[in-house]
Amino acid sequence: DGGITQSPKYLFRKEGQNVTLSCEQNLNHDAMYWYRQDPGQGLRLIYYSQIVNDFQKGDIAEGYSVSREKKESFPLTVTSAQKNPTAFYLCASSITGDNTYEQYFGPGTRLTVT
Amino acid sequence: GESVGLHLPTLSVQEGDNSIINCAYSNSASDYFIWYKQESGKGPQFIIDIRSNMDKRQGQRVTVLLNKTVKHLSLQIAATQPGDSAVYFCAECYDKIIFGKGTRLHILP
Repeated sequence: DGGITQSPKYLFRKEGQNVTLSCEQNLNHDAMYWYRQDPGQGLRLIYYSQIVNDFQKGDIAEGYSVSREKKESFPLTVTSAQKNPTAFYLCASSITGDNTYEQYFGPGTRLTVT
Repeated sequence: GESVGLHLPTLSVQEGDNSIINCAYSNSASDYFIWYKQESGKGPQFIIDIRSNMDKRQGQRVTVLLNKTVKHLSLQIAATQPGDSAVYFCAECYDKIIFGKGTRLHILP
């Protein structure tokens, strides 16, 4: 089965702690993306990567960090500097990063920080 | 505000009727458009796409219409079923992809 997976589905953390969200794809896609989804808002781009060992900030990168050491994996760390981290986080991948092909989304991770 | 949006935040449709969900986009340079379906607590699921050199594309029970003159995109779902209940949102693509906020489709029994 080809697809994109995210784990865990639900994550709870105390304020001040860093937390890493996992995203793995076996679609052999070059590009991967992290979005944040808040109620009543469209998806907002946090970071994206068009190729291994390279990534760029999206529209709301502050307080987040990523790495792309392997083509299949694009973990997102939500740091303690992120002022409002509670949200639904979505990872996506695409054949290429030039926005000419659809993005495939994972099931999402709901992060709650208290 | 966002350049891609939907005219109605919630649409209620009788089961068996056709549903039409609308989307306006603002960038005339956008050349690729996608409709996604998102069920509660899940990731968005690709439904259908259309490129700017087309004005209509059909899938299984779904049709996307593109009107470049007025920068309007619509998703038509034929014979709406309870399983169609979800949030539907469009995306426009040029050098970046912008997602709309979504329309919630509610199926009446």
